[in-house]
Amino acid sequence: LAKTTQPISMDSYEGQEVNITCSHNNIATNDYITWYQQFPSQGPRFIIQGYKTKVTNEVASLFIPADRKSSTLSLPRVSLSDTAVYYCLVGLSRSGSARQLTFGSGTQLTVLP
Amino acid sequence: GAGVSQTPSNKVTEKGKYVELRCDPISGHTALYWYRQSLGQGPEFLIYFQGTGAADDSGLPNDRFFAVRPEGSVSTLKIQRTERGDSAVYLCASSLAGRLVGELFFGEGSRLTVL
Repeated sequence: LAKTTQPISMDSYEGQEVNITCSHNNIATNDYITWYQQFPSQGPRFIIQGYKTKVTNEVASLFIPADRKSSTLSLPRVSLSDTAVYYCLVGLSRSGSARQLTFGSGTQLTVLP
Repeated sequence: GAGVSQTPSNKVTEKGKYVELRCDPISGHTALYWYRQSLGQGPEFLIYFQGTGAADDSGLPNDRFFAVRPEGSVSTLKIQRTERGDSAVYLCASSLAGRLVGELFFGEGSRLTVL
């Protein structure tokens, strides 16, 4: 299983762009990169998923360099409500491969006023 | 339902007792997962169902843990002879078959406390 490494915590201020980088040096060819967000007392919530280059949706962007050994989740103009734990996962994207989706300890993002 | 529903939301039991945790997935989702999350840690995979069968139960920590999904919808996680180390939040997630595995929809979890 591809192991991921993320910063334990990050602080930011409201309105700033936040970039959280995840290292996954032994990512496999078929692995996708997925990010989840988790608030206290709630289950994780899917944010974004990608394979290479850049993916953007209504809440975030995901940047993946050509070697795919790392990825960066970008949150534009964060607000206090973005304070949460963010998890980076790598694993196969086909059904039946949930075992490959392993959560690490995540990054605690704290947005300050 | 609108989302993944888990009951009970909180369960306090004594060491050695038997516990059942229930998960009602999103209607139409054939894939169902159980995770366990300890304080300050990320979710830890336990078991995965595709339909009625357990496709991967390699995450179950020992034979005190068992899960069923008899009709391919609701699932029950069963823990026998509970130990204090079993205290955690048990999360259930579901997804559509054929969709990217990464898109899991989680419930709010069942917090188990073993005294």
